[in-house]
Amino acid sequence: DIVMTQSPDSLAVSLGERATINCKSSQSVLYSPNNKNYLGWYQQKPGQPPRLLIYWASARESGVPDRFSGSGSGTDFTLTISGLQAEDVAVYYCQQYFTTPQTFGQGTKVEIK
Amino acid sequence: QVQLVQSGPEMKKPGASVKVSCKASGYDFTNSYLHWVRQTPGQGLEWMGWLNPNGGGTNYAQKFKGRVAMTRDTSITTAYLEVRGLKSDDTAVYYCARDRGDALQDFWGQGTPVTVSS
Repeated sequence: DIVMTQSPDSLAVSLGERATINCKSSQSVLYSPNNKNYLGWYQQKPGQPPRLLIYWASARESGVPDRFSGSGSGTDFTLTISGLQAEDVAVYYCQQYFTTPQTFGQGTKVEIK
Repeated sequence: QVQLVQSGPEMKKPGASVKVSCKASGYDFTNSYLHWVRQTPGQGLEWMGWLNPNGGGTNYAQKFKGRVAMTRDTSITTAYLEVRGLKSDDTAVYYCARDRGDALQDFWGQGTPVTVSS
């Protein structure tokens, strides 16, 4: 199975500042024939299901604010929240869908400093 | 709009079975795979497998093979997850989620808490 490891486990950021979350996969999730990274990012607030933010590592889902951006390729990925808002307090997960079983990172909790 | 509405909380004893339902609306039910994912405090988010509502084909994670069954009733656009031989570490919130067409999940149900305790 592909192991997804996120860092840090938690971070506290001041309102309006940047939050950066890293995700590393134990093997590449880049599919060479279409040059796509099978990596997604979710946001989860307490008592709610995960919400898809980013697919193909860097494509923003419809309705997601443009302060959320994804980057990276192969085995190393980053989710950046540029200008943290109070409503962004949540746990963020990366997920690989390159192969089954699909696997998730352990989550990164983002709080306000 | 796309909606996935799941059945309510369940409490079961070890060794019992549970069947969770997921009612889909707002899209063509047979046109999108459905995934089941569970969330536990200890293991986080765990992908359990997918169901193809068009034909009923399935793909289960190895960990759950032989113990889970994903089925559907297309006449009422509802998918089901059955877990047999429940153990205490099956205590989790179980989610159904629609496949956006490339294996990733876009819309999720609200979750069904399942508690396994003697």
